[in-house]
Amino acid sequence: GNSVTQMEGPVTLSEEAFLTINCTYTATGYPSLFWYVQYPGEGLQLLLKATKADDKGSNKGFEATYRKETTSFHLEKGSVQVSDSAVYFCARRSGGSEKLVFGKGTKLTVNP
Amino acid sequence: GAGVSQTPSNKVTEKGKYVELRCDPISGHTALYWYRQSLGQGPEFLIYFQGTGAADDSGLPNDRFFAVRPEGSVSTLKIQRTERGDSAMYLCASSFGERETQYFGPGTRLLVL
Repeated sequence: GNSVTQMEGPVTLSEEAFLTINCTYTATGYPSLFWYVQYPGEGLQLLLKATKADDKGSNKGFEATYRKETTSFHLEKGSVQVSDSAVYFCARRSGGSEKLVFGKGTKLTVNP
Repeated sequence: GAGVSQTPSNKVTEKGKYVELRCDPISGHTALYWYRQSLGQGPEFLIYFQGTGAADDSGLPNDRFFAVRPEGSVSTLKIQRTERGDSAMYLCASSFGERETQYFGPGTRLLVL
């Protein structure tokens, strides 16, 4: 089964609202964790990453903290913009492997 | 600089036909990856090359799928005897090396009729 689980979408927010997209993982050892974003009509882009427990990844106002005790890597942003509308994918890469394992994605729509 | 490019952007074929999908990685990237993304799902790993050799092909679904990277740069994903279930977006990514960030191309959307 899929070892990365994201909250199901779609998520619709108003501009300046607070965003949380939950992500939990199962893996042996200490995986690296990622959030990728896919804007409409574009390819997947790395948004942020964390490679060890308690690391916080951040970019473009988004943050996610690697929580080993809860096996989570939730994505947050304090004030979303219309331009943040996209599909967000959580992913993990386990030690000893190069492949990324992705969640199903969460579609975010931000309305003005 | 140029990102990962994939051709064609769209491919429509008939059941049973053979198709080739091409990926041009970012210049200087030694690692190359293929993923497949079905509608409403996240990408699923198919195969990973380090240089010319396939270092991990554990994601290829069956022997109808094959990929090559003969000169350590461009890669071709080959699908024989296509089936309707092969319809998906095929994504290519490249990275400077192991444990480095993977940069994705725009994908090839394959439709098998």
